[in-house]
Amino acid sequence: DTAVSQTPKYLVTQMGNDKSIKCEQNLGHDTMYWYKQDSKKFLKIMFSYNNKELIINETVPNRFSPKSPDKAHLNLHINSLELGDSAVYFCASSLRQGSSPLHFGNGTRLTVT
Amino acid sequence: GDSVTQMEGPVTLSEEAFLTINCTYTATGYPSLFWYVQYPGEGLQLLLKATKADDKGSNKGFEATYRKETTSFHLEKGSVQVSDSAVYFCALSPTPMDSNYQLIWGAGTKLIIKP
Repeated sequence: DTAVSQTPKYLVTQMGNDKSIKCEQNLGHDTMYWYKQDSKKFLKIMFSYNNKELIINETVPNRFSPKSPDKAHLNLHINSLELGDSAVYFCASSLRQGSSPLHFGNGTRLTVT
Repeated sequence: GDSVTQMEGPVTLSEEAFLTINCTYTATGYPSLFWYVQYPGEGLQLLLKATKADDKGSNKGFEATYRKETTSFHLEKGSVQVSDSAVYFCALSPTPMDSNYQLIWGAGTKLIIKP
């Protein structure tokens, strides 16, 4: 009965590969997010979707492409992976735009070698 | 623009010690303020919040008071436990909200409690 689940939990891959991270929420929330957390625990929002519509698209390389097939799912596809992409990626959701709290998944630790 | 500043970690304390993690903010308008906690290997979860000046948020023995005069929202706990070891994030929600709502996050403070 996990509220926000993301897969995989760990992802180790080589530079230049393409990978995807999946996220699903069963809370009935309208808004979903992707965050990146670096090795110093600093959190940076990457994308926000509201009812499958892109709302926030922060300055991230266009190698990162989110996709929301329905409002319960928000996937993140990364092309041509680089060493600097190594981080923990968190999916989150909220009832609607601007509401709190955010509900986070447990993260996907991406390691690019 | 709006910002949140937290004290740098790690903060290392012995069990049953008194905890304060400082958080100050700059914002226009009347933001809501939050503390989130991230336990090892997990995502963040809301610990407590306050939506207006002088409000006190509390949960699990933690407290924080929204002080508009000092633009602060310091996190306190009277007696910490080993299980409180985690990273704590202060955050604010700007008001008025616009279509690009997003939380403004502090850098996080790692708390280590030794038995």
